[in-house]
Amino acid sequence: QKEVEQDPGPLSVPEGAIVSLNCTYSNSAFQYFMWYRQYSRKGPELLMYTYSSGNKEDGRFTAQVDKSSKYISLFIRDSQPSDSATYLCAMSAKGETSGSRLTFGEGTQLTVNP
Amino acid sequence: EPEVTQTPSHQVTQMGQEVILRCVPISNHLYFYWYRQILGQKVEFLVSFYNNEISEKSEIFDDQFSVERPDGSNFTLKIRSTKLEDSAMYFCARGRGTNSPLHFGNGTRLTVT
Repeated sequence: QKEVEQDPGPLSVPEGAIVSLNCTYSNSAFQYFMWYRQYSRKGPELLMYTYSSGNKEDGRFTAQVDKSSKYISLFIRDSQPSDSATYLCAMSAKGETSGSRLTFGEGTQLTVNP
Repeated sequence: EPEVTQTPSHQVTQMGQEVILRCVPISNHLYFYWYRQILGQKVEFLVSFYNNEISEKSEIFDDQFSVERPDGSNFTLKIRSTKLEDSAMYFCARGRGTNSPLHFGNGTRLTVT
């Protein structure tokens, strides 16, 4: 079983739609959860960073973490064509040395059509 | 703009040659990382570097790889004898500390022929 599973898509939605992106994980040691956006031939760009279970909102983006189900989500409201990119979930375990060793999902390719 | 600058943006090399990839953080940080992404695959951890020492490395980071911060500013990844399977995007990242989110550069695309 993969440590982090993410549906690679592709996912295509009309402009203005609500987008839901998800990851599941198997390692209960993961405590920190991140979402990155990656445009073609660019580096991952940090969107959201969460530690505990629950919701975190930043503008049009909402991150949800459910540690009991080992499930995280990213919601994008009022999606725009500029949101078209690959979205990567990433997570890490707590610890002095492994704390920032990120394990990534495969990435979900999102296209928002005007 | 990314918070780390990587050079070169694209490197083409022949199998068996040595390559050095460079990373320059915009601000002064102590925690640095190298990740790689083979085309079509997920981003993978290579090595973490703290206080001028390797703090953790993955099974990918074998004896062909080395890292250093020779002048207290540039952070480099050296691959001693490149193989075809080393072709990938290599990303440098910096962090403020353990358990902090990482910020990535735009990467160096390494092509081994």
